[in-house]
Amino acid sequence: TQLLEQSPQFLSIQEGENLTVYCNSSSVFSSLQWYRQEPGEGPVLLVTVVTGGEVKKLKRLTFQFGDARKDSSLHITAAQPGDTGLYLCAGARGGSQGNLIFGKGTKLSVKP
Amino acid sequence: DTAVSQTPKYLVTQMGNDKSIKCEQNLGHDTMYWYKQDSKKFLKIMFSYNNKELIINETVPNRFSPKSPDKAHLNLHINSLELGDSAVYFCASSPMFSSYEQYFGPGTRLTVT
Repeated sequence: TQLLEQSPQFLSIQEGENLTVYCNSSSVFSSLQWYRQEPGEGPVLLVTVVTGGEVKKLKRLTFQFGDARKDSSLHITAAQPGDTGLYLCAGARGGSQGNLIFGKGTKLSVKP
Repeated sequence: DTAVSQTPKYLVTQMGNDKSIKCEQNLGHDTMYWYKQDSKKFLKIMFSYNNKELIINETVPNRFSPKSPDKAHLNLHINSLELGDSAVYFCASSPMFSSYEQYFGPGTRLTVT
């Protein structure tokens, strides 16, 4: 059974701090996606990583896919209150891109 | 210009009732999905349709029956509702089943009393 473990589960920081969220598995994934979900809304795709070792940047967000394609990290530099939300990683199950397994999420709160 | 829309946004009903949730996407996508997000925010896939054909059917009670009248619509009918069905249900779509990106609707919060 493929599982994705996210850590930490909760994170509360002050504006301007840096943070890293982790998504780990014992299984290999053909791709990993990161989504952000705000209260009362559906998840919104931030990025997809496909190649082992791949690094993608989205403004202050840096995403990395592990060399073995079993883990990923999301690093936020100089967090802002607008970064507050639930961050979800998702992996394609059995190499089938549409069949996603989600981690349980990291709830980030950035205080002004 | 809503991409993926769901109705209703909130649904409160009693145990034993039958209810439906509707989903429509105007993105021209071939693939649509239903997800369930529980009270701990765990998001799990339930069904997926590709061009009106069922391609994913996870371990979901057969009280849940998806219906896709055309590739822009995927509705979810739930019979004999139980307390444990209370959750937020999300519809999503993607250009193709092999696409990396999925676009989610705003969710339907179902409360069974």
